[in-house]
Amino acid sequence: GQNIDQPTEMTATEGAIVQINCTYQTSGFNGLFWYQQHAGEAPTFLSYNVLDGLEEKGRFSSFLSRSKGYSYLLLKELQMKDSASYLCAVSPEWEGQGGKLIFGQGTELSVKP
Amino acid sequence: GAVVSQHPSRVICKSGTSVKIECRSLDFQATTMFWYRQFPKQSLMLMATSNEGSKATYEQGVEKDKFLINHASLTLSTLTVTSAHPEDSSFYICSALPADYNEQFFGPGTRLTVL
Repeated sequence: GQNIDQPTEMTATEGAIVQINCTYQTSGFNGLFWYQQHAGEAPTFLSYNVLDGLEEKGRFSSFLSRSKGYSYLLLKELQMKDSASYLCAVSPEWEGQGGKLIFGQGTELSVKP
Repeated sequence: GAVVSQHPSRVICKSGTSVKIECRSLDFQATTMFWYRQFPKQSLMLMATSNEGSKATYEQGVEKDKFLINHASLTLSTLTVTSAHPEDSSFYICSALPADYNEQFFGPGTRLTVL
């Protein structure tokens, strides 16, 4: 089966750094995505990792270790607007199923003043 | 960037009626579109994969006769919720995958409320 785990909730302070972890066990692996979703809105793309290592994009960084089935999303210099749900999603490598995503349950991040 | 639209954004219907939701890729052609459902405070659950010109592939536990999917063109897929019931009330989100591309682009979602 497919299994993606991430913490349900996290709280952090404005200006701080927060790391959201994601572990996965899937039948195959063709990349891992992080999305941000505000309540009642569609997810917006944050990052994509397919090779091991760290990808940095402004205040957001994402790390992947394929051997450990592990990723994290790092948010620096937190702002109040970063309060949202963060979704980890894996693209399993299935025949004829290109692009299919399996989502974790999402991590609800609350940024406090 | 790639834009995906959904229509309607919100719909309220009576129990037993059918509702059609449209998903359009506005500035690219999508060989594959996906339909997700999201209940409050839960993540996205993939319902089905829709390929242009062929039958949709449904995930386990999703009734294909209740959730009819049609992908008639490279820019349009529709989801019809037939004989809707209150338990079908949810946030339905589509995404579109351009050819030879690994990133899905999500629509803004449709909030369905069945009374």
